[in-house]
Amino acid sequence: NAGVTQTPKFQVLKTGQSMTLQCAQDMNHNSMYWYRQDPGMGLRLIYYSASEGTTDKGEVPNGYNVSRLNKREFSLRLESAAPSQTSVYFCASRRWGEGYNEQFFGPGTRLTVL
Amino acid sequence: TQLLEQSPQFLSIQEGENLTVYCNSSSVFSSLQWYRQEPGEGPVLLVTVVTGGEVKKLKRLTFQFGDARKDSSLHITAAQPGDTGLYLCASKGTYKYIFGTGTRLKVLA
Repeated sequence: NAGVTQTPKFQVLKTGQSMTLQCAQDMNHNSMYWYRQDPGMGLRLIYYSASEGTTDKGEVPNGYNVSRLNKREFSLRLESAAPSQTSVYFCASRRWGEGYNEQFFGPGTRLTVL
Repeated sequence: TQLLEQSPQFLSIQEGENLTVYCNSSSVFSSLQWYRQEPGEGPVLLVTVVTGGEVKKLKRLTFQFGDARKDSSLHITAAQPGDTGLYLCASKGTYKYIFGTGTRLKVLA
């Protein structure tokens, strides 16, 4: 099991360029999440997908779109990148049920927007 | 919106020392989780606490949930360099999680 995988690991964009961050999980989890992490601000939720076919906004959705392609894959798109979107992006999936509730995180994508 | 404040923000200690970090909320937690994040990696779950007053131990780490479920603490006994990392608390809603700002711990050999 690879767990949660993210691509790419690093990316540099110019202001106004677009890109898609890819995330996949092989644990058959229903829920998936996208977070951004900035110094001194912890993890902030961008979008989440409670189950295949649904997506909802988190705390900081402006400037982003998501697609839950299937149960395994949840992508994050920046249509027109801005320097304020320079951050480390984490994807997570969630296992929950009777007696357990845990998020599993990918290794992150470090994005710089010039 | 629930806010989670963690203190201290930074902590640098010598190997063998004890330490406590705190997580405080503006409202009652339904449940509270602690994660550790090492450099270049995603967070990893350490523990979930659910009941007010609950204490859980994980080797040298002791987690306590406040009686009123508005605060939590993490105590590390005899810290080791392997404990170095960012410690995050998180509150869970139905589907969404809110994370605290984190405590960055460095344990010097």
